[in-house]
Amino acid sequence: EAEVAQSPRYKITEKSQAVAFWCDPISGHATLYWYRQILGQGPELLVQFQDESVVDDSQLPKDRFSAERLKGVDSTLKIQPAELGDSAMYLCASSFRVGTGWGTGELFFGEGSRLTVL
Amino acid sequence: GENVEQHPSTLSVQEGDSAVIKCTYSDSASNYFPWYKQELGKGPQLIIDIRSNVGEKKDQRIAVTLNKTAKHFSLHITETQPEDSAVYFCAAPNDYKLSFGAGTTVTVRA
Repeated sequence: EAEVAQSPRYKITEKSQAVAFWCDPISGHATLYWYRQILGQGPELLVQFQDESVVDDSQLPKDRFSAERLKGVDSTLKIQPAELGDSAMYLCASSFRVGTGWGTGELFFGEGSRLTVL
Repeated sequence: GENVEQHPSTLSVQEGDSAVIKCTYSDSASNYFPWYKQELGKGPQLIIDIRSNVGEKKDQRIAVTLNKTAKHFSLHITETQPEDSAVYFCAAPNDYKLSFGAGTTVTVRA
């Protein structure tokens, strides 16, 4: 069964350091999402790509976070410098091309990358 | 944007009993309402969804009901089993963006 791959699964870093997360969506999925999930809360959308283009990054703290999906396939989410408040699970998800009318359709999530900032 | 509120935040049920989780949403244009289940150490997984042209949908022991007038929808799990223990999230879209509720931790007691 096709899955969304994420790495690393766990990352511990000190504040002010740089961290990067990688995501490989399900083959054929045009839409890719990065969500942040703080412990005890629901996922919060950081950035959404349609192919290689950013559809929405309104909740991405652009002073320290960046995301790219250069060839419209895999994606990288970077944080520099990391802050204590960035400790969370970073979830990548993908879906078929998003159209209008029925919203997003089914999102397929990876197992996430858990970040701890000391 | 869409605002989704979910209740309760925790729910403990005896095995075999039913569990009900409720969500309200703010955007009257929302027309798709999925429920995701997240097991420990894993990403959320879609378990059932409903579109605005129906009021109820069932899939074996789970069902979702939708009241568009009141802008709320609910997840019903019947005959709960230990494997139903997990965190459940409701969600609603604002056009192409999906907003999630805060989650309900369901514990099924043997």
